[in-house]
Amino acid sequence: KAGVTQTPRYLIKTRGQQVTLSCSPISGHRSVSWYQQTPGQGLQFLFEYFSETQRNKGNFPGRFSGRQFSNSRSEMNVSTLELGDSALYLCASRRSGTGDTEAFFGQGTRLTVV
Amino acid sequence: GQSLEQPSEVTAVEGAIVQINCTYQTSGFYGLSWYQQHDGGAPTFLSYNALDGLEETGRFSSFLSRSDSYGYLLLQELQMKDSASYFCAAPTSNTGKLIFGQGTTLQVKP
Repeated sequence: KAGVTQTPRYLIKTRGQQVTLSCSPISGHRSVSWYQQTPGQGLQFLFEYFSETQRNKGNFPGRFSGRQFSNSRSEMNVSTLELGDSALYLCASRRSGTGDTEAFFGQGTRLTVV
Repeated sequence: GQSLEQPSEVTAVEGAIVQINCTYQTSGFYGLSWYQQHDGGAPTFLSYNALDGLEETGRFSSFLSRSDSYGYLLLQELQMKDSASYFCAAPTSNTGKLIFGQGTTLQVKP
């Protein structure tokens, strides 16, 4: 079966702009989590969506937001981009997120803010 | 707070055995996972320990001691393709949120 698909793979944006990233989870998976990966901070949890509801949120400013659609696809949005938002953004899907132990990651979207 | 500590780098030779340690401090512990990430690739799941003891999956084994807040990943018969970053991670609740260690870069030399 198809894995987790993230689009686009690469993005270059200018400070102050906004960006929307997309994640299509594995078919049948209802939980989608987003992570930011940088060399300095490692993998940091942004938020998790389950059945179109945000179930968990990390310690990121309100400029970072997300949503999940009825088909479990998820988008995250970053507004008023800052240079420090340059990172690899990864999404991970799980079947239910309750009692499951394995997260399946996508290849990520590499965002560069200039 | 919640944190997982692991060494930043480990080097070993092909065919050898290497152990990557992870110590954790979390409020509410559900278990310890290990993920592998090659350069430019997606993290992939290796193992999960919910209970104390050793879990073996082929050349890879993972161990957990809840009383010591400690776990490790053991890689045997190292191959060049094992060169990658390895992350320990802990779910903070019975949901999808994972807290990750900073990652250990393993370099396997011929």
